[in-house]
Amino acid sequence: QVQLQESGPGLVKPSETLSLTCTVSGGSVSSGSYYWNWIRQPPGKGLEWIGYVYYSGSTNYNPSLKSRISISVDTSKNQISLKLSSVTAADTAVYYCTRGSRQRGWFDPWGQGTLVTVSS
Amino acid sequence: EIVLTQSPGTLSLSPGERATLSCRASESVSSSYLAWYQQKPGQAPRLLIYGAFSRATGIPDRFSGSGSGTDFTLTISRLEPEDFAVYYCQQYGSSPQYTFGQGTKLEIK
Repeated sequence: QVQLQESGPGLVKPSETLSLTCTVSGGSVSSGSYYWNWIRQPPGKGLEWIGYVYYSGSTNYNPSLKSRISISVDTSKNQISLKLSSVTAADTAVYYCTRGSRQRGWFDPWGQGTLVTVSS
Repeated sequence: EIVLTQSPGTLSLSPGERATLSCRASESVSSSYLAWYQQKPGQAPRLLIYGAFSRATGIPDRFSGSGSGTDFTLTISRLEPEDFAVYYCQQYGSSPQYTFGQGTKLEIK
């Protein structure tokens, strides 16, 4: 079955750029039926959708984060990537990558998540 | 942006009891685009229900979803010990955009 695994630095300094990669196995990011999403969860809080990338490279971002986000896809490596610039402590969260249904909007499966802490 | 409000914030019940969790939207949501997730401590969310009513693969039939328009419900017919967790509703709207409710914590009484 499809599995997703996030990777990247666990600590980022304020004002710098957070960069994460999600590697997909057991399936292809080139499947036309899905969007590939990033979702985050601050410690002890709820879930926030960040944005998605389609295999074609088209993207859609949460308006509240749009000015700082870039999500891309590498079909040759079966990976998606997230870059979030000018981070502050408010960006400290567990970051999840997840597959999303284009037609019905649900998210499944999810990666295990990776905690990113913004601190000097 | 559609805001989803879940109630109650915390629900205290005993194993074997019935749980009813509510999700109210600030404007009408298509039933096709309403989902529920379960999250246990230290784990990623797991899809339970999609399209308001349909159980995801491998989800026991004690979980059921209902509702339409602005009011949706997740029901767990008879609570098992492993069902105590946080539950989130989520909608998929135009643009497209996705929003989650703030969650309901289901705890053991």
